[in-house]
Formats: sequence, C-alpha cells, structure tokens
Amino acid sequence: EAGVAQSPRYKIIEKRQSVAFWCNPISGHATLYWYQQILGQGPKLLIQFQNNGVVDDSQLPKDRFSAERLKGVDSTLKIQPAKLEDSAVYLCASSSLGVEEQFFGPGTRLTVL
Amino acid sequence: GENVEQHPSTLSVQEGDSAVIKCTYSDSASNYFPWYKQELGKGPQLIIDIRSNVGEKKDQRIAVTLNKTAKHFSLHITETQPEDSAVYFCAAAGTYKYIFGTGTRLKVLA
Repeated sequence: EAGVAQSPRYKIIEKRQSVAFWCNPISGHATLYWYQQILGQGPKLLIQFQNNGVVDDSQLPKDRFSAERLKGVDSTLKIQPAKLEDSAVYLCASSSLGVEEQFFGPGTRLTVL
Repeated sequence: GENVEQHPSTLSVQEGDSAVIKCTYSDSASNYFPWYKQELGKGPQLIIDIRSNVGEKKDQRIAVTLNKTAKHFSLHITETQPEDSAVYFCAAAGTYKYIFGTGTRLKVLA
C-alpha cells in the first residue's frame, strides 16, 4: 500500500512570497489533515478535511493560509504572503473514516528568508 | 486549552537498557493515545497506540501504559538498540483531533 505522498520535499522562499504544498493521501482515506511542525515541537493541526469538506480549521491563520481538497482526494495548502515564523515542516496525514490512526507523509520543509 | 506535557525532552541510554517516556494530558475527553517515532527528515510513524478502555498494551519490545484517573500514559522500550534512536511523540486524541506532546529525543549509545 502506497503511503501519503507530499511535494515538494523542500522549499526556500523570501518573506512576502507565496508558496503551495501538495498532498496525496493513502487511497480510500476520507480524512486528511495538515499539520505545522516547528523545529523542536510536536505537530500542530492546521486543518482537517473529511472528503472535500472542512471539519476543523480553528488553528489555521486564515489571513495568510488557505487549503482546499476539491475532489476529496488530493489537497493543497497555500501560504500568501509568507512570514519568517512560517518556517517549519508541513506534514500531511490521512486516516480512514471513523478510524483514529493517522498516517503521515514525509513532510515539506519550508524555509522563509 | 488542551495540552499534552511530555518528559523528558532528551534521553540517553546504553544499548540494551530500557527507556521510559511519560506524558500527561489535560482533556478528560481524550480516549485514544498513539505514540509516534520520527527519524530525521521523515514524517512521524505510528509505533503503538492504546485506547482508554485498556490499561496496558505490549508489542515485542514496546509497551504503553495508561492511567486514566491520573491522565498519565507512558512508553516503555526494553532492550534498546541503536536503531531506536529518534524523536518520540505522544498524542492524546478525542473525536480524531490529536494534541501532540513536545517530543523526546532518544539516543541509544552503542
């Protein structure tokens, strides 16, 4: 079974630029999560989708972050404009409907200069 | 708000010794407690989990214990090996929302 795929793996941008990350969850997983992991900390949930609907985006900084999962499969997370404090690893995870176990992708390491 | 405290932040053990990592959670509605191992440059990997109706669970060299009354849960790794070196995260979950601990960097010295 293929795991969660993410791209790009690394991205370096200057502050005020925009950036987008892509995630392809495990086939058949209805629930998709985006997490932000700042160096030395645990992952923090940004947004949770169930199919193509948003379940929880309470910790998403909506003035600069946006995410979509239009067809209920792939998802993109966008930051516009980026700030220095957005430097982190952005992790995507997925799970089957009604199942607690989440499976994580390798993450995208973002550096904002 | 809900939080999960994790201790210690770093742990060094000799190969073959045991390692114990402890977590405390605040949300009494939490009912699922996974543990993840994260190696450098990789995403977290689930290594063991426990649900609130169980006090202990074992899988080969790894065990997890849960004390719901005290809101504590712990990861125990026996006969540690160099490949156990990584960062370990605990999490507490209710209604599928995970709150992660701050991580423990485990170093197993050969």
